[in-house]
Amino acid sequence: NAGVTQTPKFQVLKTGQSMTLQCAQDMNHEYMSWYRQDPGMGLRLIHYSVGAGITDQGEVPNGYNVSRSTTEDFPLRLLSAAPSQTSVYFCASSYSQGASGYTFGSGTRLTVV
Amino acid sequence: GESVGLHLPTLSVQEGDNSIINCAYSNSASDYFIWYKQESGKGPQFIIDIRSNMDKRQGQRVTVLLNKTVKHLSLQIAATQPGDSAVYFCAEKSGGATNKLIFGTGTLLAVQP
Repeated sequence: NAGVTQTPKFQVLKTGQSMTLQCAQDMNHEYMSWYRQDPGMGLRLIHYSVGAGITDQGEVPNGYNVSRSTTEDFPLRLLSAAPSQTSVYFCASSYSQGASGYTFGSGTRLTVV
Repeated sequence: GESVGLHLPTLSVQEGDNSIINCAYSNSASDYFIWYKQESGKGPQFIIDIRSNMDKRQGQRVTVLLNKTVKHLSLQIAATQPGDSAVYFCAEKSGGATNKLIFGTGTLLAVQP
């Protein structure tokens, strides 16, 4: 199993550009989520999904959109990138709503200039 | 709002010594706790978990202690090795339908040879 796969690993954007961070898991996990990690602030939840067709906002959703058309994929879209979105982004999944720990991807390092 | 924090942002230990990483949580309704290890450039990796109906749980070289009275969580690593050098996060999950984890800011464990 590949686990949780994130692409790209690195990305540089100009302010105002849009892009999609990809996340795919092959473990048939129902629950998927996106976090951003900033120095000194730990992991903060952006959006999450409890199953295909269902998404909800986390702690810091502004500036990001998500969709969950399939169980496997949970892309994160930045519609108009801002320097404040410079961060490392992690996608995570787990088997079900009440399941134990998450499986994390290896992250996407995004720089907005 | 609820938050998870760590007492020590950086912990330096000698190889072979035992390490203790501490974490305070504020949500008394939290019923599940996890420790993650994050090596440089990688995503967080599950180490060990504990549910609120337990006080102690042991794994291979690691022990998690939970003190619900003072809302304190600790991770003990026995015979610390250079490969243990990483950032360690605690995370909590409150009871309910969703599977959202709240992460602390992390402690950097530096193992000196």
